[in-house]
Amino acid sequence: EAQVTQNPRYLITVTGKKLTVTCSQNMNHEYMSWYRQDPGLGLRQIYYSMNVEVTDKGDVPEGYKVSRKEKRNFPLILESPSPNQTSLYFCASSLYPTGLGYGYTFGSGTRLTVV
Amino acid sequence: GENVEQHPSTLSVQEGDSAVIKCTYSDSASNYFPWYKQELGKRPQLIIDIRSNVGEKKDQRIAVTLNKTAKHFSLHITETQPEDSAVYFCAVQGGSNYKLTFGKGTLLTVNP
Repeated sequence: EAQVTQNPRYLITVTGKKLTVTCSQNMNHEYMSWYRQDPGLGLRQIYYSMNVEVTDKGDVPEGYKVSRKEKRNFPLILESPSPNQTSLYFCASSLYPTGLGYGYTFGSGTRLTVV
Repeated sequence: GENVEQHPSTLSVQEGDSAVIKCTYSDSASNYFPWYKQELGKRPQLIIDIRSNVGEKKDQRIAVTLNKTAKHFSLHITETQPEDSAVYFCAVQGGSNYKLTFGKGTLLTVNP
């Protein structure tokens, strides 16, 4: 089954404790992205990757890191989480656009709470 | 960067009525306009999309219209049903990084 898998689904952590949220897709998609969803703010892009070893900042990259060492995996790293990073996070992937638009396939989401 | 405005933020309709959600965008180079539906506790899912060379697209009870000159596009849902209740997001894609910029969402409630 074609899917984007995120882990964990729920995570409660303390301020300053490094964490990683994993994302993996099995559709051979080249484009992957991380979004955070907050009430009243919609979905805001954190980072995106257009291919292996190619990543760039989205609209709200502060406090986050990503890596794309393999096509299928795109982990989101919080080196020193703070309470304002409490949010619902979605990973998404898409066929490489090549000038045309394609819908995103979203993962199930990770609800992160930083206390 | 791209700015996407979505209205209304909440919409309540009676079952069987129509619902319309509107979005405006700022970048005239944008060329792809999808709509996503997010049910409570679930992931966003693509329900319909339109490209800039098309003015209207229909899929059963759902349609999207695009006015590139005015830089706005709309989602139309006819004969609404309770299972249409969800948050709907418009999005805009364009530019060199193919980023999807989302609107803030519309909570649609269909009352039986």
